[in-house]
Amino acid sequence: NAGVTQTPKFRILKIGQSMTLQCTQDMNHNYMYWYRQDPGMGLKLIYYSVGAGITDKGEVPNGYNVSRSTTEDFPLRLELAAPSQTSVYFCASSYTLHGGAGNQPQHFGDGTRLSIL
Amino acid sequence: DAKTTQPNSMESNEEEPVHLPCNHSTISGTDYIHWYRQLPSQGPEYVIHGLTSNVNNRMASLAIAEDRKSSTLILHRATLRDAAVYYCILPAPDSNYQLIWGAGTKLIIKP
Repeated sequence: NAGVTQTPKFRILKIGQSMTLQCTQDMNHNYMYWYRQDPGMGLKLIYYSVGAGITDKGEVPNGYNVSRSTTEDFPLRLELAAPSQTSVYFCASSYTLHGGAGNQPQHFGDGTRLSIL
Repeated sequence: DAKTTQPNSMESNEEEPVHLPCNHSTISGTDYIHWYRQLPSQGPEYVIHGLTSNVNNRMASLAIAEDRKSSTLILHRATLRDAAVYYCILPAPDSNYQLIWGAGTKLIIKP
């Protein structure tokens, strides 16, 4: 059971380039999330999805896009990379039947460390 | 803004119990209290969560004050592998999906 898998683990981009961060989970979780973490700080929610075909903005969505075509995959797209997007990106998933995802444990991947120069 | 207040760092000796405090004076009646930890260069890891009564699992215990305005994560016998940043987290207001993360407590374990 792999859990939440993120690729790549590290990446360096030039300003203005684009890339997709991949995230897949094999736990059949309905909720999936993308966070970013800046040095010494907690996580900030970028986008989330409550199921295939449904996505919504989190706290810091500007400069990012997501899609959820399957239960397993939740890629994050950076269209025009900017230095402010240098961060560590974490994907997470949770299973929510009742009570809302805010009351359910989230399972995290190991992160993608992205530098934009 | 984070809804919880934690000390920036704490130190403990190996094989001794550790009590990590968290204040959450604005907690609502339906908010669960979550604890996660993050080891160096890894993703966050779920530790425990609870609503009103104390909770125990294989990793830790969670003691929740009667008025729910504070809680304490208890590691019964700390090891060097427990050195991490520990986050006490509440859901965002009027949200059933978003958790509000603060900067957490950096736990240092001395051999």
